Amino acid sequence: EAGVTQSPRYAVLQEGQAVSFWCDPISGHDTLYWYQQPRDQGPQLLVYFRDEAVIDNSQLPSDRFSAVRPKGTNSTLKIQSAKQGDTATYLCASRRTGGAHYAEQFFGPGTRLTVL
Amino acid sequence: QQQVRQSPQSLTVWEGETAILNCSYENSAFDYFPWYQQFPGEGPALLISILSVSDKKEDGRFTIFFNKREKKLSLHIADSQPGDSATYFCAASWPGGYKVVFGSGTRLLVSP
Repeated sequence: EAGVTQSPRYAVLQEGQAVSFWCDPISGHDTLYWYQQPRDQGPQLLVYFRDEAVIDNSQLPSDRFSAVRPKGTNSTLKIQSAKQGDTATYLCASRRTGGAHYAEQFFGPGTRLTVL
Repeated sequence: QQQVRQSPQSLTVWEGETAILNCSYENSAFDYFPWYQQFPGEGPALLISILSVSDKKEDGRFTIFFNKREKKLSLHIADSQPGDSATYFCAASWPGGYKVVFGSGTRLLVSP
């Protein structure tokens, strides 16, 4: 079974530029998460989906960040007008509900973003 | 507001020693506590987890001790190996396990 895949693995931007991150979850996983992990900190949830529906985006900076999962499979996270404070690793995770009540989240390798 | 706190930030032990990583939490509604292991350049991976109805969970060299009254838990890594050198995150989840809050991590170095 293939794991969660993310691309690109690295991105370097100037402030004000836009960037998109792409995630392909594990096949059959209906729940997908995007996390921001600043250097030397733990992952912080930005948004999560069940199928194509946004369940919680309360921590997503809505003025510059957006996330979609149009067919309930792959997902894209976009940052418009990036700021230096957005420098972090962006992690995607997926999970299958309907099985174990506390099913594990599986993480991708992340995209390391540097905003100059 | 940091809902899950970890200490120490970093820890160095000798090969063969037991490493003890500490965690505390604020929200009494949390009922599931996974620990994740992360190597540089990789995403976190689930190592071991415990439900709040238990006070201990063992899996090989890894043991979680849980104190619900004090809202504290700890991860003990027995017979530490250099390959255990990684960052360990304590996390907590509300019932259902859909949404997880992570601590800031403990960086463990096991010296041969």
